[in-house]
Order: sequence, then C-alpha cells, then structure tokens
Amino acid sequence: EVQLVESGGALVQPGGSLRLSCVTSGFNFRNYGMNWVRQAPGKGLEWVAWISASDIPSDGDIDYTDSVKGRFTIAKDIAQNSLSLQMNSLRDDDTAVYYCARDFCTSLSCRYDFWGQGTQVTVSS
Amino acid sequence: EVVLTQSPATLSLSPGERATLSCRASQNVDNYLAWYQQKPGQAPRLLIFHTSSRATGIPARFSGSGSGADFTLTISSLEPEDFAVYYCGWPRTFGQGTKLDIK
Repeated sequence: EVQLVESGGALVQPGGSLRLSCVTSGFNFRNYGMNWVRQAPGKGLEWVAWISASDIPSDGDIDYTDSVKGRFTIAKDIAQNSLSLQMNSLRDDDTAVYYCARDFCTSLSCRYDFWGQGTQVTVSS
Repeated sequence: EVVLTQSPATLSLSPGERATLSCRASQNVDNYLAWYQQKPGQAPRLLIFHTSSRATGIPARFSGSGSGADFTLTISSLEPEDFAVYYCGWPRTFGQGTKLDIK
C-alpha cells in the first residue's frame, strides 16, 4: 500500500524557517517525481514545488512556483524514502496545509496519484 | 504558463441528478488533464487522468471527456458522498475548483 506521511508543520513567526518532511512507503521512491502542493485556509490547491525521479537532480529536475523561488528548497533522500521542503523567510501568505503528492507520468498523461494527509503551517506573529 | 478556469464555481444539485463540471485551459494541454475530488478535512483524491481514464477504485458514474483546451467531468447520478470540491489539474497547475453542493 502506497503511503505518504507529512510532518513538520508548526506555528512560526514571519521571517522564520521550517522544514517539512514526507516519509513514503509502499513503492520504489527513487523511481518517482514528487511534489509539494499547498492549500491556504478556504482556498484552492496551489502547486508549490516539484523534484524529478533523478537520483542526482540538476537544475532542470527541480521547479518552484514563482512566489517561493529563492525561499523554499525541495529535496529527496533516497536512502530514507523521504521528501523534504525547507522553507525560509516565511511570510503570512505561506500559511496553508502542505501536502506531498506523488508524480505519475507516462508519455500520455501526468497526474498526482497519491497524496499525504497534509501538515499545517501557520505563519503569524 | 497554463491557466485552468473551472465553471461554475458552485453547483447545487440533488442526489440522483447529473452533474456537469467544466474546465477550460488557456492553451492546448494535449489530454494531460486530470480531475481531483476533495472532501472537507481530507486530502485531494485522483479521480480521472488522461482526460477520461478513471483512477483505481473510482466508480463508473464518474466520467471525463474533452480535448485540446475544453474538458468536462460528468457524474451521471449523484450519490450523497459525491458532494465535495472538484479540481481539474495539469502538471504543476490546478483550476480554482467547483464546489458541488446539496440542493
């Protein structure tokens, strides 16, 4: 059974830092791209970051939504089957539930086929 | 950058009725369109991928159609558990969602 379990969410002050983790099981983690998707209170889904299935991601294997570029860093730990999101210089508008989601891409389609349950990040003074 | 626009924002229907949700892309998205369902307090769940393929365990009353830039999610006969928010998605972008309400 595929499982994604996020952790690390907390209340943090503006300008602070936080590191989210997503521990995975039930599939060969190294063979899949992974994403972080967030949802602000009462709002829709917003894609945040993506990392490819590459063992050693280069620039073309990582992407971010514009609002987090230079502040957030996505990374994979193949040995631990885990995904992380290092968030620095946090702002009020980063407040959201953060989900990790697995990429499943073929030549015909690309979708997020499994999701974690989410972890709450609140940025407030 | 692909922008996905969903309509309507809210759809109020009764159990047993047919629901038709629309998703329009700002450019041709080559059938990479997916649909997700989200219930309150839960993570999103994949319903449909490649425009019309149902994900594992999704009932046959859910169907997807469309091509190019115009796509539709149809629920043929609404069950009580279908009232939720639905998002269309393309790699790294989502529509703003359609809330399916009980009338």
